[in-house]
Amino acid sequence: ETGVTQSPTHLIKTRGQQVTLRCSSQSGHNTVSWYQQALGQGPQFIFQYYREEENGRGNFPPRFSGLQFPNYSSELNVNALELDDSALYLCASSITGNTEAFFGQGTRLTVV
Amino acid sequence: GQQVMQIPQYQHVQEGEDFTTYCNSSTTLSNIQWYKQRPGGHPVFLIQLVKSGEVKKQKRLTFQFGEAKKNSSLHITATQTTDVGTYFCAFDNTDKLIFGTGTRLQVFP
Repeated sequence: ETGVTQSPTHLIKTRGQQVTLRCSSQSGHNTVSWYQQALGQGPQFIFQYYREEENGRGNFPPRFSGLQFPNYSSELNVNALELDDSALYLCASSITGNTEAFFGQGTRLTVV
Repeated sequence: GQQVMQIPQYQHVQEGEDFTTYCNSSTTLSNIQWYKQRPGGHPVFLIQLVKSGEVKKQKRLTFQFGEAKKNSSLHITATQTTDVGTYFCAFDNTDKLIFGTGTRLQVFP
C-alpha cells in the first residue's frame, strides 16, 4: 500500500451536478497531482498542487478546480458534470524534486 | 505537446513465454518511468531510467532506455499469471507525468 488514500471509492452523479473528490497524501509528501483515466486509456494529468498553490495544469477546462490544505491533503472539484467526465480519478503524491509518484486507489466517477 | 506511444496495445502470452513492450517518443526525454496497473487497480511505480543507454533489472523484468533517450522497453522473462496488467511508460515533464498509451498483458496458464 502507498499510504495515499482517496474518497469516495465510487460515485454516481447526474449530468450538471458538482462533485468533490478527496485525497490524503503519503506522509512527508508535499506535492499532490490529479489524473483522469478514462476506460482503456492512460492517466491524463489534470493539475498539481504544491504549497497549497496550483503548480501546473493539463488540458482541462476551468470547471476542474482543486485545493491543497496545509496538511498536504487535496480536493478535486468538478462543476457542471458532463457524461465524458466519467472516469477513474487518481491522486498521486510525491516529494518535489523526486519524480516517483505514489498513486491512491482512485475514485470511480460515473456521470449519468 | 510531447507524447509517447506504446506498442503493442495488447499482448496475450502463454505462461512461461517472454513479453516485451516498447515506448517511443518523437522528442528526447529527460527520463522515463514505468508503471504497472493491475485490472481494477491503480498505477504502481516500477522504475525510473535517466541515463542514455541505461539498463536496469528487477528479477524477471529488464528495463532499457535508448541511447538517444527517445525510446524505452520493458522485457519480462518467463511470464507468470501475476504479471497480468497494463504496463505504462511515463516521462516527467516539469513535475507532471505524461503517460504512454499502455500495453495490456494477458497471461494464460
